[in-house]
Amino acid sequence: EDKVVQSPLSLVVHEGDTVTLNCSYEVTNFRSLLWYKQEKKAPTFLFMLTSSGIEKKSGRLSSILDKKELFSILNITATQTGDSAVYLCAGNSGGSNYKLTFGKGTLLTVNP
Amino acid sequence: NAGVTQTPKFRILKIGQSMTLQCTQDMNHNYMYWYRQDPGMGLKLIYYSVGAGITDKGEVPNGYNVSRSTTEDFPLRLELAAPSQTSVYFCASSSPRDKHSYEQYFGPGTRLTVT
Repeated sequence: EDKVVQSPLSLVVHEGDTVTLNCSYEVTNFRSLLWYKQEKKAPTFLFMLTSSGIEKKSGRLSSILDKKELFSILNITATQTGDSAVYLCAGNSGGSNYKLTFGKGTLLTVNP
Repeated sequence: NAGVTQTPKFRILKIGQSMTLQCTQDMNHNYMYWYRQDPGMGLKLIYYSVGAGITDKGEVPNGYNVSRSTTEDFPLRLELAAPSQTSVYFCASSSPRDKHSYEQYFGPGTRLTVT
């Protein structure tokens, strides 16, 4: 059974701090790893990672994948209160169905 | 281009009642999915479809049924609602073969309470 584990499950920081969210995965015929941000409603897409060692960056957010050690990290620098959300990691398995297996998420709270 | 839409937004059901959660996408995506999300948990896949007329079970299909008669619509049916089905339900779609992208686009969700 495919499994995705995120840590920590929750995190409280102050504005301006840098945070690192972790995601480890065991996914059959792994194709890619996706990060989503969820703010009380539907998840919104952040990154998709398919290759090891290549950092993806969007503003203050960045992510990298290690396919040898089966994990990914999501970094957020200079955090803002608007970054408060649940961050979900999902592994995409091969085959014809392109299913995603989600972790439980990391609840990030950024205090002013 | 509305993306993925879901109705209703909220619903309260009594135990044993039935209902259909509607999901429509206007992006011409082949793949559609239904997830449920319980508090503090990630999303669990209920059913998915890789095209019109084709559906398959996900991780937690018991108590649910789906159909896919058109590319756009993927309704989820609860036949005999139980309190364990209280959850937030998300529909999603993707088109990996067109864009070589595995990104799934999510609808706004339906919050269902069974009492």
